[in-house]
Amino acid sequence: KAGVTQTPRYLIKTRGQQVTLSCSPISGHRSVSWYQQTPGQGLQFLFEYFSETQRNKGNFPGRFSGRQFSNSRSEMNVSTLELGDSALYLCASSLDARQFEQFFGPGTRLTVL
Amino acid sequence: DQQVKQNSPSLSVQEGRISILNCDYTNSMFDYFLWYKKYPAEGPTFLISISSIKDKNEDGRFTVFLNKSAKHLSLHIVPSQPGDSAVYFCAASTGNQFYFGTGTSLTVIP
Repeated sequence: KAGVTQTPRYLIKTRGQQVTLSCSPISGHRSVSWYQQTPGQGLQFLFEYFSETQRNKGNFPGRFSGRQFSNSRSEMNVSTLELGDSALYLCASSLDARQFEQFFGPGTRLTVL
Repeated sequence: DQQVKQNSPSLSVQEGRISILNCDYTNSMFDYFLWYKKYPAEGPTFLISISSIKDKNEDGRFTVFLNKSAKHLSLHIVPSQPGDSAVYFCAASTGNQFYFGTGTSLTVIP
């Protein structure tokens, strides 16, 4: 069974640009969560999608948005990039909402110059 | 506001000895706790979990202890092996979302 895949793996953008990251969950998984990992901050929860609906949202500004498609694939968008947005963005999938075991992808490393 | 804290950024242990990784939390509503292991260039992988109704869960060389009165959990690895060298994250859940600690980098010295 293929694991969680994220594309692209690495991305370099400049301030003010926007970016879209993609996540394909494990086949059959319907819940997708996004996290931001920065040094010293650990993993910070961005949002969770289940059956194309945003179920939960973390404490991030509105520049961070996402969506989920009918095949459970998810995208995350960050508009008007800031230097502080440089981070590893991780996607995790689980079978259902409130499923405690999440499976993580390798992440997308975003660098904002 | 960090609701889950791992106060030791790094830990070094000799091969064969016990590794003890610690985690503290502040939210008494957390009802499920997990440990993840992360190698460089890979996403975290689930290691072991414990429900708030238990105080210990064991899986092979890995044991997680939960002390609810102290709001503290720990992961014991016995015996430690060089392949255990990785960053370990603890996480806690209210059922709605996960809160992660900042991670402890474990180095097992052969």
